[in-house]
Amino acid sequence: QKEVEQNSGPLSVPEGAIASLNCTYSDRGSQSFFWYRQYSGKSPELIMFIYSNGDKEDGRFTAQLNKASQYVSLLIRDSQPSDSATYLCAVNLSSGSARQLTFGSGTQLTVLP
Amino acid sequence: GAGVSQSPSNKVTEKGKDVELRCDPISGHTALYWYRQSLGQGLEFLIYFQGNSAPDKSGLPSDRFSAERTGGSVSTLTIQRTQQEDSAVYLCASSSTRDTYWTGELFFGEGSRLTVL
Repeated sequence: QKEVEQNSGPLSVPEGAIASLNCTYSDRGSQSFFWYRQYSGKSPELIMFIYSNGDKEDGRFTAQLNKASQYVSLLIRDSQPSDSATYLCAVNLSSGSARQLTFGSGTQLTVLP
Repeated sequence: GAGVSQSPSNKVTEKGKDVELRCDPISGHTALYWYRQSLGQGLEFLIYFQGNSAPDKSGLPSDRFSAERTGGSVSTLTIQRTQQEDSAVYLCASSSTRDTYWTGELFFGEGSRLTVL
């Protein structure tokens, strides 16, 4: 089992719809979770982080964390073509060094105009 | 510089040759990371330097890989006797870890694309 797992996609949604991206992790002791966005041919950039159970909203983005289920998700409301990218889930595993991130393989999102 | 700088941006080498990849992190960032990304894959952790502490080398795939960080700044990733499976984009990132509340923001360079023929 991979430490951080994501559906690779591709995921296609129409413009204006809600895109839902999911991630599970194996280390129950993990405390901090991150979503990075990577445009094609570019490097990843941080878009959200979440430490506590529940929802965290930032503009059109909402991160959801459920530590009991070892599940973290990212919702993108009113999806735009400019949101088309690969979304990488990252976890600071308790088994790893402090402040070292383990990334999932990413979900490719395409927002259709 | 303003961001993380990596060189070379592209490197083509023959199987069995050694390569060196360089990373110049953001000034003042104490943490430096190396990841690699194969085509269509996620980021694979390689090594992590934090200040003057011993580096976390747990992600290095074999003893052909090594990295050093001189003076707490510039880092070099060395791959000896390259193999075709080493072909990937090697990404360096740096982070400021002085803040008590860590946002997990790694600032990535543009990467070094390595092709082993």
